[in-house]
Amino acid sequence: EVQLVESGGGLVKPGRSLRLSCTASGFTFGDYAMSWFRQAPGKGLEWVGFIRSKAYGGTTEYAASVKGRFTISRDDSKSIAYLQMNSLKTEDTAVYYCTRYDYGDVWGQGTLVTVSS
Amino acid sequence: QSVLTQPPSASGTPGQRVTISCSGSSSNIGSNYVYWYQQLPGTAPKLLIYRNNQRPSGVPDRFSGSKSGTSASLAISGLRSEDEADYYCAAWDDSLSGPEWVFGGGTKLTVL
Repeated sequence: EVQLVESGGGLVKPGRSLRLSCTASGFTFGDYAMSWFRQAPGKGLEWVGFIRSKAYGGTTEYAASVKGRFTISRDDSKSIAYLQMNSLKTEDTAVYYCTRYDYGDVWGQGTLVTVSS
Repeated sequence: QSVLTQPPSASGTPGQRVTISCSGSSSNIGSNYVYWYQQLPGTAPKLLIYRNNQRPSGVPDRFSGSKSGTSASLAISGLRSEDEADYYCAAWDDSLSGPEWVFGGGTKLTVL
């Protein structure tokens, strides 16, 4: 069964950092691009960014709202995608989802990140 | 303010056919595929339609997608109570600052 499990969410103060992990199973992780999306409480979906597979250079793309603060990386040997979030702002409070492919054919259950003093 | 425009709400009775519209521009819907997601209350989104009109395995053929110019639509026929959910459209946007994945604001579907 194809599965994605996010972890690492929690309460963090503005300006601090947090790293989320997305552990994949049930498919050959290295063959796929992986994406991150988020959803603020009571709001719609927002794209955060994605990382291409190594076959396509392993390069990344980010939303303007997080560019320069967030970094997506991957460890194909462990089937894990990471979202490193620096200089967090209160408006980054959201449930963060990781997905397979750039368009998300499979989604994880999400992990809540709360940025508050 | 979302880049793609959807009606905030839609409704129908069981068995009816309902359509949800999604309007964009030449830089997103007009030049890229459209995707649709269903989000049941309290759950993660689920891919419903990809590449304008393709259904992932397991998605009933009651759900169909179409695209024309800079607009797209999701149609749900034979409406069922379990279809009550939020629906989002999305597409890549070829913006000058780099490609961005953009969403509609979501449509809350109520089954009366």
